[in-house]
Amino acid sequence: DGGITQSPKYLFRKEGQNVTLSCEQNLNHDAMYWYRQDPGQGLRLIYYSQIVNDFQKGDIAEGYSVSREKKESFPLTVTSAQKNPTAFYLCASRETGNTEAFFGQGTRLTVV
Amino acid sequence: GENVEQHPSTLSVQEGDSAVIKCTYSDSASNYFPWYKQELGKRPQLIIDIRSNVGEKKDQRIAVTLNKTAKHFSLHITETQPEDSAVYFCAATPDNYGQNFVFGPGTRLSVLP
Repeated sequence: DGGITQSPKYLFRKEGQNVTLSCEQNLNHDAMYWYRQDPGQGLRLIYYSQIVNDFQKGDIAEGYSVSREKKESFPLTVTSAQKNPTAFYLCASRETGNTEAFFGQGTRLTVV
Repeated sequence: GENVEQHPSTLSVQEGDSAVIKCTYSDSASNYFPWYKQELGKRPQLIIDIRSNVGEKKDQRIAVTLNKTAKHFSLHITETQPEDSAVYFCAATPDNYGQNFVFGPGTRLSVLP
């Protein structure tokens, strides 16, 4: 079954701790994206990656880090430097030349 | 970079009426314009898309129109049903390798029975 999977679905962390959100796809897509969604808000781009071992900052990259060591994986780390990390995080991927973006089911992060 | 605006932010219609959501974009290089539907607590899913070599595309009750000269595109939903209630996002991107995917802020559509 092909698709893009985010885990976990819900995540709770204490303030000051780093936390890593997982995103895996078996669609053989080159490009992968991380978005943040706050209640009643749109999708804001955090980071995106066009190819393995390469990634670019989006509009709200401060306090976040990513890696792209494998084509199928694009984990996002929310660091303690992110001032307001509680949000719904969405990962997406798309293939070169086939421009539909496929989304994971999202991870809802709550920092207490 | 690309900037996408979307209006209205909220829209309420009676069941059976039509709904129209409009988006504008800034980058003339953009040539792919998808629309996503996001139900509460779920992932966004593509409902229709259009490329710049086409002015209009229709899929059953959903249609999208594109005016490249004016840099705007619109989503039209006819004969609305309660299950159409969701948040709708437009997006714009150049159809090139690895380009950024920029979304509008979204429109919350409520279809009233």
